[in-house]
Amino acid sequence: GAVVSQHPSWVICKSGTSVKIECRSLDFQATTMFWYRQFPKQSLMLMATSNEGSKATYEQGVEKDKFLINHASLTLSTLTVTSAHPEDSSFYICSAPGLAGGLGEQYFGPGTRLTVT
Amino acid sequence: GENVEQHPSTLSVQEGDSAVIKCTYSDSASNYFPWYKQELGKRPQLIIDIRSNVGEKKDQRIAVTLNKTAKHFSLHITETQPEDSAVYFCAASIRHTGNQFYFGTGTSLTVIP
Repeated sequence: GAVVSQHPSWVICKSGTSVKIECRSLDFQATTMFWYRQFPKQSLMLMATSNEGSKATYEQGVEKDKFLINHASLTLSTLTVTSAHPEDSSFYICSAPGLAGGLGEQYFGPGTRLTVT
Repeated sequence: GENVEQHPSTLSVQEGDSAVIKCTYSDSASNYFPWYKQELGKRPQLIIDIRSNVGEKKDQRIAVTLNKTAKHFSLHITETQPEDSAVYFCAASIRHTGNQFYFGTGTSLTVIP
């Protein structure tokens, strides 16, 4: 099946700094990718839809200036957490649809554990 | 947007018994309903899915049922095994709005040997 990778797998940063997380589709092209956030023992919450070549679409309540998304190519989307604070500590997961424009499975990255101290 | 509710939040069953997890959704336009299994610190893994033109789907010990009228769908695991212990999430998706997944709140399943 299709493979989605994320980098880094975990990161620790100091409060006030910015952190970039990469999401790559390794063996297929993804014009759309999705970013989710998951707090401990909670569900995956959709943050935004990343669109190749255009602006990301953010879910209600997600600050677009704090969570910068760039989808510069058909295989790479990046999420930058700007001016990170301890409350941003979470598990961030990206996904990409398996069928372009179709209805079906999404392939998830392995996730990035962010800890802000 | 779509709102997906999931029950129960925790479930313990004896090995060999069946487990049932239920989800409801709010948007009648949702037309794809996957179920994911997630182990601690790992990515969700698709275990079964169903589309809105199907009422039931089965894959070995796992089955999913969908009631479009009532807007609810359920996961059934029969002959549970200890390795079935994990957190299970249901999700709903609407194709024409971009296929984003909206997840339920999760069910922590424990299978007691």
